[in-house]
Amino acid sequence: QVQLQESGPGLVKPSQTLSLTCTVSGASLSSTSYYWNWIRQPAGKQLEWIGRIYSSGSTDFNPSLRSRVTISVDMSKNHLSLRLKSVTAADTAVYYCARGVSGWYYFDFWGQGTLVFVSS
Amino acid sequence: QSALTQPASVSGSPGQSITISCTGTSGDIGTYDYVSWYQQHPGKAPKLMIYDVTNRPSGVSHRFSGSKSGSTASLTISGLQAEDEADYYCNSYTISSTHVFGGGTRLTVL
Repeated sequence: QVQLQESGPGLVKPSQTLSLTCTVSGASLSSTSYYWNWIRQPAGKQLEWIGRIYSSGSTDFNPSLRSRVTISVDMSKNHLSLRLKSVTAADTAVYYCARGVSGWYYFDFWGQGTLVFVSS
Repeated sequence: QSALTQPASVSGSPGQSITISCTGTSGDIGTYDYVSWYQQHPGKAPKLMIYDVTNRPSGVSHRFSGSKSGSTASLTISGLQAEDEADYYCNSYTISSTHVFGGGTRLTVL
């Protein structure tokens, strides 16, 4: 069974960099059949797609976040990472990682999400 | 990119059918049949209900169905049950090789 688990600091100070990790089990990040995504959701608000990475290392990002986001994979640990720099209170949200199906473009497995507060 | 447009809320009585619309543009729903729908209960992660406009993943009730016309996709839930009460989000792939979500619809089962 595919499982994804997000982890990282629950509190980040304004202007600093948010860093999260998603550990994947039951699937390999090196598979070309899938791509790996970060998605977030502020409390009481809608889902927002942040970006994705393929096993090749190719990435795509939400235009509104592109200048601040880095997504990477560590094949040896089978996990993907998210870095969001220069955070503000508006970046406070539950952050999810999710698996996307290549060529069909939907998210079939999601992590449980991790809440990140941006506050001094 | 602008979010897809969904009604903020819909409601129905048990046993009834409801439809949730999701309107995009020629840059997303109007071009691709890569529309998916997700159900989210409070405090939980979203769950895939429909993919590629009309397809149901294994394990999802046949009461859930999807369709599309032009730049608008729809999710229909028939035979409403109390457990269907949740938030529903549509998602589309875009011509810019990105994904975009809808604003979400709160379904209330009366």
